[in-house]
Amino acid sequence: GNSVTQMEGPVTLSEEAFLTINCTYTATGYPSLFWYVQYPGEGLQLLLKATKADDKGSNKGFEATYRKETTSFHLEKGSVQVSDSAVYFCALSPYNFNKFYFGSGTKLNVKP
Amino acid sequence: GAVVSQHPSRVICKSGTSVKIECRSLDFQATTMFWYRQFPKQSLMLMATSNEGSKATYEQGVEKDKFLINHASLTLSTLTVTSAHPEDSSFYICSAGEGAGQQETQYFGPGTRLLVL
Repeated sequence: GNSVTQMEGPVTLSEEAFLTINCTYTATGYPSLFWYVQYPGEGLQLLLKATKADDKGSNKGFEATYRKETTSFHLEKGSVQVSDSAVYFCALSPYNFNKFYFGSGTKLNVKP
Repeated sequence: GAVVSQHPSRVICKSGTSVKIECRSLDFQATTMFWYRQFPKQSLMLMATSNEGSKATYEQGVEKDKFLINHASLTLSTLTVTSAHPEDSSFYICSAGEGAGQQETQYFGPGTRLLVL
């Protein structure tokens, strides 16, 4: 079946610290992988995506590389800001680009 | 980017009543929309695929008679929780896609928090 596992939060970091949020998946076929972000009181927003193995998605300083051999899609950012505080969801789409399977979300708190 | 709205944002109802949640794509048309629910500190669980002009497709374990979905137009899908019970209390989120194939991007609504007393 299809499932996504991501590290539990909350993750608390100081501003300018390095961020890693782990995400691993199981899927049938060759899924596309996504990171979504949810800011307080808002809906989910696409942060980045990768559609095939070894692709790297990047946006706003965040990066994630599609690793088929380890079935992982870890999210990284070199220097976090207070404004990055949000909940981050890893997700996969197994056959197309509309139906998603989400991880449980990881809350990130960045302190000044 | 495209915007998806939901109404209401929050609803409290008595056990046994029915509640309707609307999902609208504001500046694009969507033949397919999706409904998810999220329990506290858990992942979003796909409930059903809402298809404009035809019946919704439900995920395994989701009661179609409990969660009625109507996709009456290309910009509106509704989810009705019938005879709601406290265990139906949850956060319901919809999404709609703009574009097609590999260029499709899903946009999510802000969610509706349902509390059944």
